Amino acid sequence: DVKVTQSSRYLVKRTGEKVFLECVQDMDHENMFWYRQDPGLGLRLIYFSYDVKMKEKGDIPEGYSVSREKKERFSLILESASTNQTSMYLCASSLLAGIAYEQYFGPGTRLTVT
Amino acid sequence: TQLLEQSPQFLSIQEGENLTVYCNSSSVFSSLQWYRQEPGEGPVLLVTVVTGGEVKKLKRLTFQFGDARKDSSLHITAAQPGDTGLYLCAGESGTASKLTFGTGTRLQVTL
Repeated sequence: DVKVTQSSRYLVKRTGEKVFLECVQDMDHENMFWYRQDPGLGLRLIYFSYDVKMKEKGDIPEGYSVSREKKERFSLILESASTNQTSMYLCASSLLAGIAYEQYFGPGTRLTVT
Repeated sequence: TQLLEQSPQFLSIQEGENLTVYCNSSSVFSSLQWYRQEPGEGPVLLVTVVTGGEVKKLKRLTFQFGDARKDSSLHITAAQPGDTGLYLCAGESGTASKLTFGTGTRLQVTL
């Protein structure tokens, strides 16, 4: 079974703190993704990476950065956390299955910024 | 930005009822996926459809991809409490496996 793990299930940080969210996948997938999920807005893509040291902006990259130094690990960084970044953060990796890519998600990190 | 609209947003039904969830877009997708997400967990892939007009069945769930590959539906027959969850459709645009997710349909099935 594909396993995607995230470093924390729940996190509480103060405004202005630097926050690191870690994601690890164990299936040698090339592509990895960070989303945030908010009620009524669905999943919105923050950043994705299709190879080590490669990164692409998603739909809402402002206020975030990412790091992918190893294939299995993709980190999301909030340089200076703000209250509007309170959200559920989901990491995913993807595999080409036939002619379509299928994504596998971690359990999520619920981040609260106070 | 491609948009995927799901309807209805919320659905509360009793065990044994049938239901259909719709996923619509003005954009064409190379594939369409459906995920289910339970509280406190990440989404889990249910099915992928890739051909216009394709129908796939997964036990009591029937998935259909529109002929023009712009829309999809999920039909559940004889819903059970275990079907409760957030259902998300997602379209693949072909760019490094990026997916565009719909806003979701929250289903509650009661006894």
